[in-house]
Amino acid sequence: TVLTQSPALAVSPGERITISCRASESVSTLMHWYQQKPGQQPTLLIYLASNLESGVPARFSGSGSGTDFTLTIDPVEADDTATYYCQQTWNDPWTFGGGTKLELK
Amino acid sequence: QVKLLQSGAELVKPGASVKLSCKTSGFTFSTSYMSWLKQVPGPSIEWIGWIYAGDGGTNYNQKFEGKATLTVDKSSSTAYMYLSSLTSEDAAVYFCARTYGGSSYFDYWGQGVMVTVSS
Repeated sequence: TVLTQSPALAVSPGERITISCRASESVSTLMHWYQQKPGQQPTLLIYLASNLESGVPARFSGSGSGTDFTLTIDPVEADDTATYYCQQTWNDPWTFGGGTKLELK
Repeated sequence: QVKLLQSGAELVKPGASVKLSCKTSGFTFSTSYMSWLKQVPGPSIEWIGWIYAGDGGTNYNQKFEGKATLTVDKSSSTAYMYLSSLTSEDAAVYFCARTYGGSSYFDYWGQGVMVTVSS
């Protein structure tokens, strides 16, 4: 299953942003989102499309089902500079999107 | 708290093999699924496979069948990945990650280990 993400975003702190992830076939709601900062391991933000991982700020939210999914950050903060990946675990093999690099202006 | 501590960076010659380790603590390893992942800049992240520590059962991404072998040592709560016949295509950062049951997301990750393949 190919997951397609827009490659990059540049936004100002305080804005509301959405990062999209489109799957080449249905993944039900088995879509998860990760944040990865340079030189670090990814960390889980959202699981099962819309569930906020413990300890993750409520500024992050997820939605979607089937083939279209969205990660929303509202409001964006400077610390959110990172690459964001979607991942599906409905179809074998589990796959990741190419990542969306978020830069703060 | 949950910790996954991976072994240090590896420099290996083409054609050689390497065994990576992932020592865990802070959770019940014997009833956990552990995955391994590969990250190369640009092509993103690939899932290699998972192993169930309870019985050693495995599920591999077909792409990595024959390349990677996953094992565990329950006595030390450590997961291992053996990579064989290394080529330049295997140079990457490799992560271990705890895999949450049937929903299969990765809730805790190791810090990653860089494998360099060079003569």
